[in-house]
Amino acid sequence: AQRVTQPEKLLSVFKGAPVELKCNYSYSGSPELFWYVQYSRQRLQLLLRHISRESIKGFTADLNKGETSFHLKKPFAQEEDSAMYYCALSGLGGNKLVFGAGTILRVKS
Amino acid sequence: DTAVSQTPKYLVTQMGNDKSIKCEQNLGHDTMYWYKQDSKKFLKIMFSYNNKELIINETVPNRFSPKSPDKAHLNLHINSLELGDSAVYFCASSQKRSYGYTFGSGTRLTVV
Repeated sequence: AQRVTQPEKLLSVFKGAPVELKCNYSYSGSPELFWYVQYSRQRLQLLLRHISRESIKGFTADLNKGETSFHLKKPFAQEEDSAMYYCALSGLGGNKLVFGAGTILRVKS
Repeated sequence: DTAVSQTPKYLVTQMGNDKSIKCEQNLGHDTMYWYKQDSKKFLKIMFSYNNKELIINETVPNRFSPKSPDKAHLNLHINSLELGDSAVYFCASSQKRSYGYTFGSGTRLTVV
């Protein structure tokens, strides 16, 4: 079974501080992992895919298979980063994407 | 614009009514999905169609019936609406597992 855990419901940081949004997963096969962002009352947007190893809006995420984690990091938070962040996993079979419960990131000035 | 578009954006209706939500994508994707986002912002898959064929049908009351007339469209019909159906419903599409999904802007359904 696929399972994604985001242990923090809310993360509040000051502008300019580092950010780390935690994500752990459970899956017996080879997972595809993603981070999605949802700004207030908007659609979910794909932020990062682990397979592309890119940096978007200053965010990075590294897949750690030993710790089954895919934490999202940014060295210096900006106010416009305030949003809901979802970690998601796609396993084999039907392209089904399973989401974590989400973490609200609040960046204070 | 290439996108996943849903209509309507907002839907307020009385308990017991039947309503439909429409979704269209012009990305050329083979697979489409319906997700429900509840009041706690939790996202759960409801259905998935690949090339008009139902491939995922999670534990959803049979009052919910998806229909895919072609691979660019996936509609959701809900019979006998209940208060607990109030949520935001997102349509999404994808081509390959590793590319992730493209989401529509959501339909906020309120049952009164």
